[in-house]
Amino acid sequence: DVKVTQSSRYLVKRTGEKVFLECVQDMDHENMFWYRQDPGLGLRLIYFSYDVKMKEKGDIPEGYSVSREKKERFSLILESASTNQTSMYLCASSSPNRGRNYGYTFGSGTRLTVV
Amino acid sequence: GQNIDQPTEMTATEGAIVQINCTYQTSGFNGLFWYQQHAGEAPTFLSYNVLDGLEEKGRFSSFLSRSKGYSYLLLKELQMKDSASYLCAVRLSGNTPLVFGKGTRLSVIA
Repeated sequence: DVKVTQSSRYLVKRTGEKVFLECVQDMDHENMFWYRQDPGLGLRLIYFSYDVKMKEKGDIPEGYSVSREKKERFSLILESASTNQTSMYLCASSSPNRGRNYGYTFGSGTRLTVV
Repeated sequence: GQNIDQPTEMTATEGAIVQINCTYQTSGFNGLFWYQQHAGEAPTFLSYNVLDGLEEKGRFSSFLSRSKGYSYLLLKELQMKDSASYLCAVRLSGNTPLVFGKGTRLSVIA
């Protein structure tokens, strides 16, 4: 069964901490994405990557960075966590080589609380 | 900016039919997706439309009119397990990331 795995389901961190959210996919997908999901705001794109060592800013990259050293792994980094980064974080992957109907496969999400 | 609109909440009765609308005003269009998301879980893929018309898949159907910037998801024979959020998403072009609407929370009542 194909999978996108996020390392933590729930995470509680203190303000100012550096936070790493890990995402691993086993489908050999080229594209990987990080979204955050907040009530009333829907899914908002933070960063995405089309290839190893490649990254692009999404709509709300401020306060975040990413790393993609290997094709299967895409990490989201909160350099100095703040309370307004409390959210559900969703990782997704896709491949443009699987036909036009290539939607996303999502991970199960990480609910991050910053206190 | 990109604009994708869906109703925030809907309620429907078990066994009935419900239609969830999605209108979009975007700078490009290369396909529209519907996802289902149960509370606390990841979104899962339901349907994809890129040409005008209806795509049917069991109890779920999705319709697209590109000229009107409009899609709907039709759920028939509603079951309690269909209570979830339904997300409409548009791909603007080529290999670009999906842009999501805010989602519609559907409650199915007995």
